[in-house]
Amino acid sequence: AQTVTQSQPEMSVQEAETVTLSCTYDTSESNYYLFWYKQPPSRQMILVIRQEAYKQQNATENRFSVNFQKAAKSFSLKISDSQLGDTAMYFCAFIQGAQKLVFGQGTRLTINP
Amino acid sequence: NAGVTQTPKFRILKIGQSMTLQCAQDMNHNYMYWYRQDPGMGLKLIYYSVGAGITDKGEVPNGYNVSRSTTEDFPLRLELAAPSQTSVYFCASSYPGELFFGEGSRLTVL
Repeated sequence: AQTVTQSQPEMSVQEAETVTLSCTYDTSESNYYLFWYKQPPSRQMILVIRQEAYKQQNATENRFSVNFQKAAKSFSLKISDSQLGDTAMYFCAFIQGAQKLVFGQGTRLTINP
Repeated sequence: NAGVTQTPKFRILKIGQSMTLQCAQDMNHNYMYWYRQDPGMGLKLIYYSVGAGITDKGEVPNGYNVSRSTTEDFPLRLELAAPSQTSVYFCASSYPGELFFGEGSRLTVL
């Protein structure tokens, strides 16, 4: 069974700093998708970034980028020039095909002014 | 607009009451899910469905029931509500490589 682990329950950085959230996963599949979701206090689940396992190039979305290490089964999220609005819970998620998706436990990120 | 629609957004129940959370998607996705999220915690899978007529239990199915009579709808039934079911409930649907979430339903059982 697939599992997703986020080893950092909480993180806190100063505004404008760079922060990296870690995520590791376990699967025997070769083709799958990985996601980072942001959940602000409103509780809405917002897609931050998506990575297809068969693509070697790391995905980027503006200030957000990932370091995808397929062999190590690692999928970390880097937030550059962090902003107060980045304060939220961040969830790493895994899905293989259209099958049951699996979430990590979440990392609570606080950006301090 | 295409997406996942959940209703109601908020509901207060008394202990022992029953209710149904509605979830509908118009994207023709086969896979649909119900999650619950307790305060400060991650998402726990309650039930999921791989297509019309097929459902299966997730991590925390006790106290809930689901049905999937159509591809579009995946209602979650709470029988004999208990305070432990106070939570935010998310419905989601998926397509290979794509996930779509509803906005969540906040349920309080008093």
